[in-house]
Amino acid sequence: AQKITQTQPGMFVQEKEAVTLDCTYDTSDPSYGLFWYKQPSSGEMIFLIYQGSYDQQNATEGRYSLNFQKARKSANLVISASQLGDSAMYFCAMREGHRSSNTGKLIFGQGTTLQVKP
Amino acid sequence: NAGVTQTPKFQVLKTGQSMTLQCAQDMNHEYMSWYRQDPGMGLRLIHYSVGAGITDQGEVPNGYNVSRSTTEDFPLRLLSAAPSQTSVYFCASSQLAGVRNEQFFGPGTRLTVL
Repeated sequence: AQKITQTQPGMFVQEKEAVTLDCTYDTSDPSYGLFWYKQPSSGEMIFLIYQGSYDQQNATEGRYSLNFQKARKSANLVISASQLGDSAMYFCAMREGHRSSNTGKLIFGQGTTLQVKP
Repeated sequence: NAGVTQTPKFQVLKTGQSMTLQCAQDMNHEYMSWYRQDPGMGLRLIHYSVGAGITDQGEVPNGYNVSRSTTEDFPLRLLSAAPSQTSVYFCASSQLAGVRNEQFFGPGTRLTVL
């Protein structure tokens, strides 16, 4: 069965420093997608970055990058140059299936709360 | 585009009452889903739909019903509310074709069952 694990309930980082949020996953499907979402204290869910299982390069979106290690089944989120507005809960999620076999279903990890210190 | 909208934002129910949480999207997305978010447990899938007339159960479907008569709307019905259903409920939608197909989330409904 597919599973997402985020082992860091809470993290602190100094403003302007980089931080890595851990995510490991388990699936037997060779086709899958990995997502990171941000949930600020206001409650909305904001999509940050996507990595497909067949993607050869690590995904990047501005200050966000995904350190994808397929053999280790890890998909860690790296936030560079942290800002106070990065303080939020971060969720890793996985979707099995790819293109024509995509059911759309996401499973989420438990989340990591990140606090950025000034 | 309004994106994904949910009503109400807050709701308090008594045990045994029923209610419907509304969800609508204006992006012509095939896929729609409902999640509940409880502290320390992330988001868990309740029900989902891959198109009008097609629904299926997620991880925690008991006590909830859904239907999808149009592409735009995906209401979630609580049949007989219980305190264990106190949670924050999110509706989400996405395309199914393509590769990334990230899910777009509504603002959430905070439900308290007394």
